[in-house]
Amino acid sequence: AQKVTQAQTEISVVEKEDVTLDCVYETRDTTYYLFWYKQPPSGELVFLIRRNSFDEQNEISGRYSWNFQKSTSSFNFTITASQVVDSAVYFCALSETFYNFNKFYFGSGTKLNVKP
Amino acid sequence: ETGVTQTPRHLVMGMTNKKSLKCEQHLGHNAMYWYKQSAKKPLELMFVYNFKEQTENNSVPSRFSPECPNSSHLFLHLHTLQPEDSALYLCASSQDRTGFEFFGPGTRLTVL
Repeated sequence: AQKVTQAQTEISVVEKEDVTLDCVYETRDTTYYLFWYKQPPSGELVFLIRRNSFDEQNEISGRYSWNFQKSTSSFNFTITASQVVDSAVYFCALSETFYNFNKFYFGSGTKLNVKP
Repeated sequence: ETGVTQTPRHLVMGMTNKKSLKCEQHLGHNAMYWYKQSAKKPLELMFVYNFKEQTENNSVPSRFSPECPNSSHLFLHLHTLQPEDSALYLCASSQDRTGFEFFGPGTRLTVL
């Protein structure tokens, strides 16, 4: 079974609209990390946020906000007042710790198109 | 330079060629990773090195051969690849159990 599911393959919005990207995860660990990464057309993965499993506080960073709910195993990402520069593929990821390294499981990504 | 760097950024090779991808991290991390990103597929973990020791090999074909001479450098040696190996190859690094990986910009590989 897939550990991280991003059900939305592609979303198109018009600039200034709000948009929420969904992420549902699956793990048996009690300690884990959740991440969001942005991948612009250049290809590099840009880290956006890390959240550990014991911190369910929602976070806001500028136009970005994240809603972590353990009860539904979800870690959704909202962009407020979207801009064309937000166009990219966004990946949600789950990290489980094995000894001294971290094993990452990535979702299949959501492509966000923001049109002017 | 800072962060994680990868060279070359683009590579085109024939199926009989031998080439190598290089990754270097300037963050003092002790774990380094190779990921493969194919079109319309989730990122796939290929190899993990921790303190220069390979700790993970996700059933990767032997035509991909990793090398980690020290904790700052990671190579991926390629030989007799197939067209389906064309993908973006991403290198990443992390520090122990921080649960945080820094990614390089990737090498876009095309196998003809």
